[in-house]
Amino acid sequence: SQQGEEDPQALSIQEGENATMNCSYKTSINNLQWYRQNSGRGLVHLILIRSNEREKHSGRLRVTLDTSKKSSSLLITASRAADTASYFCAPFGNYGQNFVFGPGTRLSVLP
Amino acid sequence: NAGVTQTPKFQVLKTGQSMTLQCAQDMNHEYMSWYRQDPGMGLRLIHYSVGAGITDQGEVPNGYNVSRSTTEDFPLRLLSAAPSQTSVYFCASSFYPGTGVSEAFFGQGTRLTVV
Repeated sequence: SQQGEEDPQALSIQEGENATMNCSYKTSINNLQWYRQNSGRGLVHLILIRSNEREKHSGRLRVTLDTSKKSSSLLITASRAADTASYFCAPFGNYGQNFVFGPGTRLSVLP
Repeated sequence: NAGVTQTPKFQVLKTGQSMTLQCAQDMNHEYMSWYRQDPGMGLRLIHYSVGAGITDQGEVPNGYNVSRSTTEDFPLRLLSAAPSQTSVYFCASSFYPGTGVSEAFFGQGTRLTVV
């Protein structure tokens, strides 16, 4: 199993601004998933992007994947206070991998 | 459809006591796992199971036991609680992640304090 490394560790923005966070990984993947964790609660799945996709949208979320650079980014547009949470990426390679999570990006959206 | 249910939500134990954290899912998922999350940290995998009767160790298995007698349930046992096991514990389930298209569903967590 491989772990993604999120960057930055912490991000603070004003409500209405866009938030971008990045994920890097080491070996080739089949897909990469992003999760959100609100304070002290369980992780919630946000979006999955396959290795043959370059960009995917879901509401205010936009995920990109660059397999040549082994990186992904998550963009949240028009941030709201409710987007305050930690965000984790989980890259998946071969069959048999576990869900492994890095330290995450802690996003604070200030009103 | 309840998803993943963890009990209890909060627990205080004395050093040396044992207890079982319960996890149940109603989505017929093969894969279940336990994580611990310490303040300001990510999740660390304790144990996981790919189906009834099959369990394996994760990154931090010491001090914990698991069993998987049914598809639905995956209890985590603390054998002799230590203050270092103070943490928030999360259970998760999914269809087998190796298929590449499965998302993980998480319980709401058990906040454990060992004094």
